[in-house]
Formats: sequence, C-alpha cells, structure tokens
Amino acid sequence: EDQVTQSPEALRLQEGESSSLNCSYTVSGLRGLFWYRQDPGKGPEFLFTLYSAGEEKEKERLKATLTKKESFLHITAPKPEDSATYLCAVQEGYGGSQGNLIFGKGTKLSVKP
Amino acid sequence: DTEVTQTPKHLVMGMTNKKSLKCEQHMGHRAMYWYKQKAKKPPELMFVYSYEKLSINESVPSRFSPECPNSSLLNLHLHALQPEDSALYLCASSHALGLATEQFFGPGTRLTVL
Repeated sequence: EDQVTQSPEALRLQEGESSSLNCSYTVSGLRGLFWYRQDPGKGPEFLFTLYSAGEEKEKERLKATLTKKESFLHITAPKPEDSATYLCAVQEGYGGSQGNLIFGKGTKLSVKP
Repeated sequence: DTEVTQTPKHLVMGMTNKKSLKCEQHMGHRAMYWYKQKAKKPPELMFVYSYEKLSINESVPSRFSPECPNSSLLNLHLHALQPEDSALYLCASSHALGLATEQFFGPGTRLTVL
C-alpha cells in the first residue's frame, strides 16, 4: 500500500484556469510534508515545507495547505511556465526510516496558452 | 545560496567501464543523499551520509560505491553497470539527518549504460 498518493496523475489546464493538486498520506507521525516542482530531465526544485495541520504557505501563484490526512497545492491563474511535474514527499517521525523522504508518484501539470 | 552542483551532466558508459559522479554543496549541510530516478517515476533513495559517515544504504548493488571525502563533497563510483542502471542520478543535501528540513536537489547526471 502506497504511503503517499498523489492525484490526479496528470492535469491539463488552460492558462488562467485555477485548480488543485492532492497529496494524501498514511504515515506514522508526520515530521514534515514537502512539495517539489520538477521539470523534465532536471532535479526537483523545493517549493514548500508544511509541518502541522492548518498550516498554509504561498509563493506567487502557488498555495500549499495541510490537513491531518492530506495536502493540497492550489494553483491560481496558472501560466504555461507552471507546466511541470509536482512531487509531494513526507518525512516520518517514527520507525527506522527517520529522515527519509517518501515520495508520491507526482502530478504532471500541463498549462496551455 | 541553495545550490547543489553535480558533474557531469551527461555520462555514457559501457558495462566494463569505471566512472564517478560528483556532487558538491556549500550550504553547510551535514546530510547528503544519492537518489536514482527512472523516467516517469519518483526519486528512489540509494544512500545517505550523515556527518560524512554512511548512514543508510537502501540495499543497492555493490556496483554502486558511494564516498563522502568531506562535508561538502559526495561521490558515486560506478563499475560494471548494467543497461537497466540507466537513469537520472540525483544528489541532495539537508541540514542534518532526522530533522524535518527540506532536501535540496542538484540538477542530476543523466547516465546511459550501453
């Protein structure tokens, strides 16, 4: 069973059409939830860290929120340059994998002009 | 400065070659990581170094050999690789292991094994 599930797998938007990406998780004791953006053939670019339910972070057209079971990445009025794969990762607080990031499979976002 | 650098950007090698991937960070981070990423998949953790000591080895074949010469450098030595080892190899660093701090990734090395 996946510990981090992202949906949808792919999302196509028109420029200016706002939407949300979902990341649900089932881990023991969340230490942190991380959002990354990855362009093809490049390394993931760090976007946000969220630590506790109710927390929100914003950066330009992106806003990340966190509940006890899931996180959302809201994209407001996206532009074509927002096209990328968005990865969600969680860090557990218990067990032998402390410090390891558990990645979801990502959401591939395409924004058409 | 949140930059992690990796060299080379691209590498093509035969199955009998020996090569090395290099990674460097100057953020004062004490944890460094190697990941392998296949197309359309998330990164998979290979090795973790904490304070220059190997902390986590995720059952990676011995044809991959990591080395951490100092707190800023991380190498991955490659020998007798297989075509299925072709992938994007990512280096990352974070303040320390076990803390809920973000990892910063390098641009990656695209490895092709012929």
